[in-house]
Amino acid sequence: ETGVTQTPRHLVMGMTNKKSLKCEQHLGHNAMYWYKQSAKKPLELMFVYNFKEQTENNSVPSRFSPECPNSSHLFLHLHTLQPEDSALYLCASSQEIMGPGVPYEQYFGPGTRLTVT
Amino acid sequence: AQSVSQHNHHVILSEAASLELGCNYSYGGTVNLFWYVQYPGQHLQLLLKYFSGDPLVKGIKGFEAEFIKSKFSFNLRKPSVQWSDTAEYFCAVAQGGKLIFGQGTELSVKP
Repeated sequence: ETGVTQTPRHLVMGMTNKKSLKCEQHLGHNAMYWYKQSAKKPLELMFVYNFKEQTENNSVPSRFSPECPNSSHLFLHLHTLQPEDSALYLCASSQEIMGPGVPYEQYFGPGTRLTVT
Repeated sequence: AQSVSQHNHHVILSEAASLELGCNYSYGGTVNLFWYVQYPGQHLQLLLKYFSGDPLVKGIKGFEAEFIKSKFSFNLRKPSVQWSDTAEYFCAVAQGGKLIFGQGTELSVKP
């Protein structure tokens, strides 16, 4: 399955580092998402982009900064993270943003396992 | 705000046993419902979804789910599990353009 790819797959960073996560979708979709998956917790939606415009910021701390240069690429820039930010970060895409009765399925990438030391 | 509850955190079954995983959501109105599965080391993939019509939805790999509006439930079922069904299962509700996930149920199937 190569619909949604994420790099790197694993990342270890110190609290003072700056790094970026990359997501690319090859499905021709117009909506892209960042989620955080922590152990024993529900997936948390972080950001939503629709046609390159951010439509949702789910109260995410400013140390996470998304960027969507085009409908196929999504980045998550990280700086001065905390150990509690260690998690699996998932990217997803869908044809467009779902609405009531609009059956747009989200396709997920494999995730980036982030460890903050 | 909408929330999703999956009551079973870890389920252990023997092969050929029947499976039912519970999922309840908190808020009524028009909802779109999903079950996703995450096999070990793999990405989340869609098992099935409900948008409208027949409340009994059939998905891939022999899974089905029933939407019961009066109970705010969307339980996942499979009559006979296989070792290869070992995975984590997530129920999700779409509302306002967002997917809201439950915390997941880990299923372990013993050969």
